[in-house]
Amino acid sequence: AQSVAQPEDQVNVAEGNPLTVKCTYSVSGNPYLFWYVQYPNRGLQFLLKYITGDNLVKGSYGFEAEFNKSQTSFHLKKPSALVSDSALYFCAVRDMGETGANNLFFGTGTRLTVIP
Amino acid sequence: GAVVSQHPSWVICKSGTSVKIECRSLDFQATTMFWYRQFPKQSLMLMATSNEGSKATYEQGVEKDKFLINHASLTLSTLTVTSAHPEDSSFYICSASPEVGSNHGYTFGSGTRLTVV
Repeated sequence: AQSVAQPEDQVNVAEGNPLTVKCTYSVSGNPYLFWYVQYPNRGLQFLLKYITGDNLVKGSYGFEAEFNKSQTSFHLKKPSALVSDSALYFCAVRDMGETGANNLFFGTGTRLTVIP
Repeated sequence: GAVVSQHPSWVICKSGTSVKIECRSLDFQATTMFWYRQFPKQSLMLMATSNEGSKATYEQGVEKDKFLINHASLTLSTLTVTSAHPEDSSFYICSASPEVGSNHGYTFGSGTRLTVV
């Protein structure tokens, strides 16, 4: 069975500073990993994904994430935070070791607040 | 890119009535769509997997008679909340992928805020 952990419910960062939103996962096979952002009363917007290849994945709006197999982590990062980055961020995994498991399993979300 | 349209974006209904939520893939065919439920300040919980032309697969604890899913075409899945009660008030989100089983990302609808009064 798969699981995703986002250990921080809330992350506060000053505008212009680097930000990190943490995510660790547990799967039986190879993981497909995703980051999504959600604004109030909206659906989820895709940011980036890791399937295979380079461990550092670049995505939308200047975000990137690093896949670390030994630490089973997929932390989301951005070098310089913007106030407009304030939102709810979800890490998700699809366990390619699970037969028929096409759905995503989500973490509990991390609310990012960028302080002007 | 892949677009999923969800309608309505919000609905208020009286307790005991039924509400239908539509999820459409606008520019691709989706043999499988997923329905999620999100409570305030909580993550998305998968309710069911909607399969075109066959019965939906429900997650444990989700009442299939209460949350009716119909996937009649390759571009449309509907979720009907029957005999709605206040505890059914939530944010419902659907998602689909242009090619299930591939490494494509998933596209989400904009969600439906259901309030049962």
